[in-house]
Amino acid sequence: DVKVTQSSRYLVKRTGEKVFLECVQDMDHENMFWYRQDPGLGLRLIYFSYDVKMKEKGDIPEGYSVSREKKERFSLILESASTNQTSMYLCASSSTLVWAGVLTNEQFFGPGTRLTVL
Amino acid sequence: QQQVKQSPQSLIVQKGGISIINCAYENTAFDYFPWYQQFPGKGPALLIAIRPDVSEKKEGRFTISFNKSAKQFSLHIMDSQPGDSATYFCAPENTDKLIFGTGTRLQVFP
Repeated sequence: DVKVTQSSRYLVKRTGEKVFLECVQDMDHENMFWYRQDPGLGLRLIYFSYDVKMKEKGDIPEGYSVSREKKERFSLILESASTNQTSMYLCASSSTLVWAGVLTNEQFFGPGTRLTVL
Repeated sequence: QQQVKQSPQSLIVQKGGISIINCAYENTAFDYFPWYQQFPGKGPALLIAIRPDVSEKKEGRFTISFNKSAKQFSLHIMDSQPGDSATYFCAPENTDKLIFGTGTRLQVFP
C-alpha cells in the first residue's frame, strides 16, 4: 500500500513564525503536491513537484514556498505565518501512468495537518 | 478561476436510496475524470474514474455518467449505505494536475 505521511496532525503557531510542514511518501513516486482544504472551497493546489529539486506554482502559492531535496520528501514552508493561513494542509503523491491510452494521475493523500495560526 | 462546479453542496439520503452528485467543467482539455471520497480525519482517496471516450462506468454500487458535449459528469451511488457518509469531490485532470470541485457532504441515515 502507498503510504503518505505528514509530520504533524495538529499544529498551532503564532503570527509571524516560520512554519515547516513535512511530507514523506514510500512508493518512489515522482510527483508530489501540496493542497490546502477549506470549507466550501474544496482543495486548492499550492505547489507541486515533478522531480527532485523541481517545483511549480499551483493556484495559490502566495505566502508559501517548498523544498524537495529528496524524491520521497516534499516540504511546505510558511515564511511568516498569518491568520489567513489557518487551514487543513494535505500532501499527495502520484506516479503518472497510461490507462487505456490516457495519462492518469491517481493521487495518494496523507491524513492532513490542521494548522492554526494565532 | 471556477473551472469546476460541483453540486449539491450537501445531500441527505435514506439508507437504500440513490445519491447523485453532479460536476460541470469548462476546460475541454480535461482528459481524465475521477471522483474522490474523503472520510473525516482522512485524506481523499480515489473512488472511481472515467476516461472521456466512455459515457458510463460502473463499479459495484458506484457509477459515473459522462456527457462530453454538455461538459458534465455525475456520480451515482445506488443502495446508499451509512458507510457511504463522506465528502465527495470531482477532480478532473489536465497535464497531471487535478482540479477539485468544492465537495459534496453526503449523509446517509439508517
